[in-house]
Amino acid sequence: KAGVTQTPRYLIKTRGQQVTLSCSPISGHRSVSWYQQTPGQGLQFLFEYFSETQRNKGNFPGRFSGRQFSNSRSEMNVSTLELGDSALYLCASSPGNSFDNSPLHFGNGTRLTVT
Amino acid sequence: EDQVTQSPEALRLQEGESSSLNCSYTVSGLRGLFWYRQDPGKGPEFLFTLYSAGEEKEKERLKATLTKKESFLHITAPKPEDSATYLCAVQAGGGSNYKLTFGKGTLLTVNP
Repeated sequence: KAGVTQTPRYLIKTRGQQVTLSCSPISGHRSVSWYQQTPGQGLQFLFEYFSETQRNKGNFPGRFSGRQFSNSRSEMNVSTLELGDSALYLCASSPGNSFDNSPLHFGNGTRLTVT
Repeated sequence: EDQVTQSPEALRLQEGESSSLNCSYTVSGLRGLFWYRQDPGKGPEFLFTLYSAGEEKEKERLKATLTKKESFLHITAPKPEDSATYLCAVQAGGGSNYKLTFGKGTLLTVNP
């Protein structure tokens, strides 16, 4: 079974620009979560989507948004980029059933650098 | 607010030298505690899930245990390939909830 696929692997953007990151979950997984990883803060939860609906959201500004498509693939968008948005953005998928404690399966991330 | 603290931040061991990593947590209604391993340039790789105090899980040289306030990841006779960052995360709250709160990790280096 193919794992979680994130594209692109690396991105370099300029302050003020916007960026879109893509995630393809494991086949059959309906829940997709996004996390931001930085050396100072570690992994922080951004949001989770299930069946095209945002089910949970972390404490990030509205510049961070996402969506999920009917095939469970997900995209994350960051508008008006700031230097502090430089991070590794990780996508994770799971089967997504209610009250399910299945572990998250992570992709290898997109490394975003904002200059 | 859920909190997860891992210690030590970094640990250097000689090959064969056993040790333990600690993960202490403060959550409201623990649903699960997860251990992940992360290699440089890669995403976290799932190791274990623990659900209740007293539970233990083992995989090769790793054994995870859980109490009401903390979890330990015991590494027995480690090898250089065990070098990685080990992350602990908790899942809490009611309802359908995939928001994990992660600790900042322990960077383990095993020297040959």
